[in-house]
Amino acid sequence: QLQLQESGPGLVKPSETLSLTCTVSGGSISSSSYYWGWIRQPPGKGLEWIGSIYYSGSTYYNPSLKSRVTISVDTSKNQFSLKLSSVTAADTAVYYCARPDRDGFQIDYWGQGTLVTVSS
Amino acid sequence: EIVLTQSPGTLSLSPGERATLSCRASQSVSSSYLAWYQQKPGQAPRLLIYGASSRATGIPDRFSGSGSGTDFTLTISRLEPEDFAVYYCQQYGSSQRLTFGGGTKVEIK
Repeated sequence: QLQLQESGPGLVKPSETLSLTCTVSGGSISSSSYYWGWIRQPPGKGLEWIGSIYYSGSTYYNPSLKSRVTISVDTSKNQFSLKLSSVTAADTAVYYCARPDRDGFQIDYWGQGTLVTVSS
Repeated sequence: EIVLTQSPGTLSLSPGERATLSCRASQSVSSSYLAWYQQKPGQAPRLLIYGASSRATGIPDRFSGSGSGTDFTLTISRLEPEDFAVYYCQQYGSSQRLTFGGGTKVEIK
């Protein structure tokens, strides 16, 4: 059974860079034609797609965040990572890593989510 | 950019009642790329419906999805106590872009 687990600091200062890693277990991140993605949810609000990456390194980002987002993959560690620069309080959210289905792009696997608070 | 608008924002119903949730897209969406999720407090969303009408693995048959083009519906035929939650629709556009609706909260009346 595929499992995804987010890790990283729960508190980030304004103007700094948020960094999270998603560790995939129960399957290889590079063994099949899947993209791997990040989604966030501010407290009490809805879901926002941040971006996705293919194991080869091809990336797609939400245009509203593109200037601040970098997603990378480390196939040797079966991990992919998110960096969001110049954060503000508006970036406070639960961050989920996820795997969309390769045909219909519905998200059939989610991490448990990790709350990142931006505060000094 | 396709915008998904869900209505109503909140649905107040009693157990055993029928729930009808709407998801309207600003442009036509391929039915193949329309999904519904359930989210309970403190939990990640759970996939309910994909391809507009196919139930995900393990999802009870009281959940059904329908629609095409710009109008999609999630129906819960008879609400069970565990169904009170927030529901989101999601569509896939091009370039791996995923878009979510704002959600409908189904609360106990």
